[in-house]
Amino acid sequence: DQQVKQNSPSLSVQEGRISILNCDYTNSMFDYFLWYKKYPAEGPTFLISISSIKDKNEDGRFTVFLNKSAKHLSLHIVPSQPGDSAVYFCAARTAAGNKLTFGGGTRVLVKP
Amino acid sequence: KAGVTQTPRYLIKTRGQQVTLSCSPISGHRSVSWYQQTPGQGLQFLFEYFSETQRNKGNFPGRFSGRQFSNSRSEMNVSTLELGDSALYLCASSPLTFTSGEQYFGPGTRLTVT
Repeated sequence: DQQVKQNSPSLSVQEGRISILNCDYTNSMFDYFLWYKKYPAEGPTFLISISSIKDKNEDGRFTVFLNKSAKHLSLHIVPSQPGDSAVYFCAARTAAGNKLTFGGGTRVLVKP
Repeated sequence: KAGVTQTPRYLIKTRGQQVTLSCSPISGHRSVSWYQQTPGQGLQFLFEYFSETQRNKGNFPGRFSGRQFSNSRSEMNVSTLELGDSALYLCASSPLTFTSGEQYFGPGTRLTVT
């Protein structure tokens, strides 16, 4: 039972344009949603998170939007840079503790 | 602050053997979680330790176990290794107050079982 899904395995975008990554979830008990970036041979790096009581959180070039009624969140990266090329994971946790449930990841390629 | 460190970085073991992986969290972080990453199953939660007690557990067989020491360092052990245990094992730490759910990951230990 995949509680967190990223339906797009890959995304290609031109440098300077917007990257939009999507994530769907099924568990309404999730209280925080997080985005991580991962380069090969490294651990995931935390990017940004959003509480389930908010609908938007912004940090520099990264903005996360949450639509609770649709159980959907998205990450916008503006403008995209070649260094953003990586695998992005959506994750969610419940208030029960530090267990993160991850989506399958989206590989982003930013072309110069 | 130094980040999360994991040792060893790479390991090759034979089926049936056992293995112990080590994780040192960020200084001051008391929660340590372990995850397994495989191409087929993605990133999956193994267990979380907080103040030397297992607080959460994922859906893995009893061959997978862990512990946490008083200095918050953690180890995980896999006994009777199977080929399917080949994976990247990631450790993550969190501070006591983790209101936003952030966890900080180490570089991982790449385990290959032959």
